[in-house]
Amino acid sequence: QKEVEQDPGPLSVPEGAIVSLNCTYSNSAFQYFMWYRQYSRKGPELLMYTYSSGNKEDGRFTAQVDKSSKYISLFIRDSQPSDSATYLCAMIQGAQKLVFGQGTRLTINP
Amino acid sequence: DGGITQSPKYLFRKEGQNVTLSCEQNLNHDAMYWYRQDPGQGLRLIYYSQIVNDFQKGDIAEGYSVSREKKESFPLTVTSAQKNPTAFYLCASMEQGAAKNIQYFGAGTRLSVL
Repeated sequence: QKEVEQDPGPLSVPEGAIVSLNCTYSNSAFQYFMWYRQYSRKGPELLMYTYSSGNKEDGRFTAQVDKSSKYISLFIRDSQPSDSATYLCAMIQGAQKLVFGQGTRLTINP
Repeated sequence: DGGITQSPKYLFRKEGQNVTLSCEQNLNHDAMYWYRQDPGQGLRLIYYSQIVNDFQKGDIAEGYSVSREKKESFPLTVTSAQKNPTAFYLCASMEQGAAKNIQYFGAGTRLSVL
């Protein structure tokens, strides 16, 4: 079993829809949780960062962490074609190695 | 402009050849990382370094080598022992602090075999 599981998609939704992206993990010691956005042929860019459980909102993006269920989510409201990218979840325990999910390829159709 | 610079953007390797990918950062981060990304897959860790003159193998280190002689630089050599080198290579550095461990990435180098 992988430490971090992420549905690779692809996921295709119409413009304006609410998008939900999810990851599950097995290591209860993970403390820091991140979402990266990666456009085609580019490096990943940090989108959201949360420490421990709870919600964090930044504009149209909301990150949720549920440590009791070992489950993290990223919600995108009012999705735009420019949101089309691969979204990678990542998590880390202390100063150890970052562990990535497989990435979900998302397409927002105009 | 602070950031991570990877070069070249595209690289071609001939059979039996060693090639070196450059990674430079001016973020003053201690820790640096090299990842490999294959189509439809997540990032797999090749090597990482938490301090100058020290580095550790990641999950897929075979066929690769690194050095860390300066804080700003962490070059990756893909040796002839790596039989399937075609991939997208990403370098990252990590900002560490209280309740904060964030990795920042370069733009990547795409390596292909001739």
